[in-house]
Amino acid sequence: GAGVSQSPSNKVTEKGKDVELRCDPISGHTALYWYRQSLGQGLEFLIYFQGNSAPDKSGLPSDRFSAERTGGSVSTLTIQRTQQEDSAVYLCASSLQGSPLRSPLHFGNGTRLTVT
Amino acid sequence: DAKTTQPNSMESNEEEPVHLPCNHSTISGTDYIHWYRQLPSQGPEYVIHGLTSNVNNRMASLAIAEDRKSSTLILHRATLRDAAVYYCILRDPLAGNMLTFGGGTRLMVKP
Repeated sequence: GAGVSQSPSNKVTEKGKDVELRCDPISGHTALYWYRQSLGQGLEFLIYFQGNSAPDKSGLPSDRFSAERTGGSVSTLTIQRTQQEDSAVYLCASSLQGSPLRSPLHFGNGTRLTVT
Repeated sequence: DAKTTQPNSMESNEEEPVHLPCNHSTISGTDYIHWYRQLPSQGPEYVIHGLTSNVNNRMASLAIAEDRKSSTLILHRATLRDAAVYYCILRDPLAGNMLTFGGGTRLMVKP
């Protein structure tokens, strides 16, 4: 079946511009996560959505970052006024339920963002 | 989340077993042990998880020490496709829903 789909796969933008990254989770998955991974580093949690509950935004690094999830499905991560330190691979994951214990995370292949 | 310690890198020969260690001396009684791996240019993928008993699935086995202060992911016959970064993660199901990834172990498989 189809996995988690992210678009675009690569994005190059100029410093100061806004970017939108899209995530299509696996159909029926209620939980959705955004992580980012800088070159050669581990994954950094950004934000978590579960059903209709308020999202857990505790990992967002600044107020330039925001995310929404429409209709409990597709999610968009928006970065305003991009900076060079925002360059990273942005990974989206979904799971059937909210607990990684009961339901493993399924990751997309990420969007590689380069800010010049 | 309690901290895990893994070697930065390991090497293995193709078709030989691989034992990937993880130390978690501060693990709590409710922490589950999860393993994910990340192949080059891909997102992480789930491998296995357990609490106290050893676990087996089609990908790997998880051996958990009796005191739970360490665990070992076992790949029974390494293939070139198993070359990846392997992450050992502790998760308390009562402490929220995200997984916290550390540095992991980079496994290199030699033909």
